[in-house]
Amino acid sequence: SQKIEQNSEALNIQEGKTATLTCNYTNYSPAYLQWYRQDPGRGPVFLLLIRENEKEKRKERLKVTFDTTLKQSLFHITASQPADSATYLCALDFTNTGGFKTIFGAGTRLFVKA
Amino acid sequence: DAGVTQSPTHLIKTRGQQVTLRCSPISGHKSVSWYQQVLGQGPQFIFQYYEKEERGRGNFPDRFSARQFPNYSSELNVNALLLGDSALYLCASSFTPPGRRGGTDTQYFGPGTRLTVL
Repeated sequence: SQKIEQNSEALNIQEGKTATLTCNYTNYSPAYLQWYRQDPGRGPVFLLLIRENEKEKRKERLKVTFDTTLKQSLFHITASQPADSATYLCALDFTNTGGFKTIFGAGTRLFVKA
Repeated sequence: DAGVTQSPTHLIKTRGQQVTLRCSPISGHKSVSWYQQVLGQGPQFIFQYYEKEERGRGNFPDRFSARQFPNYSSELNVNALLLGDSALYLCASSFTPPGRRGGTDTQYFGPGTRLTVL
């Protein structure tokens, strides 16, 4: 069956450290993978998109890697700040016989302590 | 430019009732997707519409239906509400359909409608 898995446990790190979040998937051939941030009671906010033929993408303090062989994406936040505390969602976009779909993982909660 | 807007913000219904949720995409966006998010889980894909046609459907019962209007706004309807339908309903828009290989568009989410079924 098709699955997307993210670290189910919350990640607690100290301010200034690098946070690394993992997204693993099985039985998908995604066109691309996206990372979103979600704060409580609000809609997800897009952070980064990486396509199937790209290995790495960067944006300011954020970096995403995408390994289609391992079926894994890593999301890094360098020099983390308390304001980075939120839930981070990975999402796969793909097309199958059912048409276009976006499938989200359950998310990983990140807490950055000052 | 205004972002994706959804109405109402909150809604309380009783079991068996019907509900209609509304979404206005970002100006110029032609694709709208609907998601259901239960507390503690990621958004679950319900429907995707592009140019007023359904282009994708998730694993939801036929009680869920949607449509997209000529101005690209969209409605999500849920009939015969169950307690388990209580959730945050999210709408997202993009210029092109998500999932298209070679595409670069991402989805922009609205704030959601919080539906409570009693």
